[in-house]
Amino acid sequence: AQKVTQAQTEISVVEKEDVTLDCVYETRDTTYYLFWYKQPPSGELVFLIRRNSFDEQNEISGRYSWNFQKSTSSFNFTITASQVVDSAVYFCALTGGSYIPTFGRGTSLIVHP
Amino acid sequence: GAGVSQTPSNKVTEKGKYVELRCDPISGHTALYWYRQSLGQGPEFLIYFQGTGAADDSGLPNDRFFAVRPEGSVSTLKIQRTERGDSAVYLCASSLREADTQYFGPGTRLTVL
Repeated sequence: AQKVTQAQTEISVVEKEDVTLDCVYETRDTTYYLFWYKQPPSGELVFLIRRNSFDEQNEISGRYSWNFQKSTSSFNFTITASQVVDSAVYFCALTGGSYIPTFGRGTSLIVHP
Repeated sequence: GAGVSQTPSNKVTEKGKYVELRCDPISGHTALYWYRQSLGQGPEFLIYFQGTGAADDSGLPNDRFFAVRPEGSVSTLKIQRTERGDSAVYLCASSLREADTQYFGPGTRLTVL
């Protein structure tokens, strides 16, 4: 069975602060994929990143960066210089050999002006 | 190009009624997934199709739930004898192939009175 844990239920920051959203996963598969999605108040899940289990390189996209560490089974997401528009619920997800994604419960990020 | 679309966006029904929810995936995407999302939770897998066939329906909660994808494109999720506990947002996602990135539709909010 696979599991995704997002221990932070809600994070509140002030604009321009950096913030890291944690994601810890469990799987017995050797090949798997990790994802982050953003769900703004409008409700539609927006894809942010996909990472396969053989690629541990960290990735940066603008103000977003991701740190994948197999040794700790973590795939954390950092937003640098947060903005009010970053306010949303963020989901981490894992897909293994069954092709069925498991989502975490999400972290609600509130960025105050 | 056009994204995943879902109709209706909102559905209010009475306990015991039958409902159909429709999903129109991205053109050319062979895999189609249905999820259910309750308040404060991540998407919960229901069923996925690869082409016309249901590849895995292990997430369907009981036999009141059924889904079809007769021509390998549009899919319909059918719920018989609805119960108040079926109230949730039903999400559809499609991907080029299994394990590829899934792109989500806006969801159908189902309310059973």
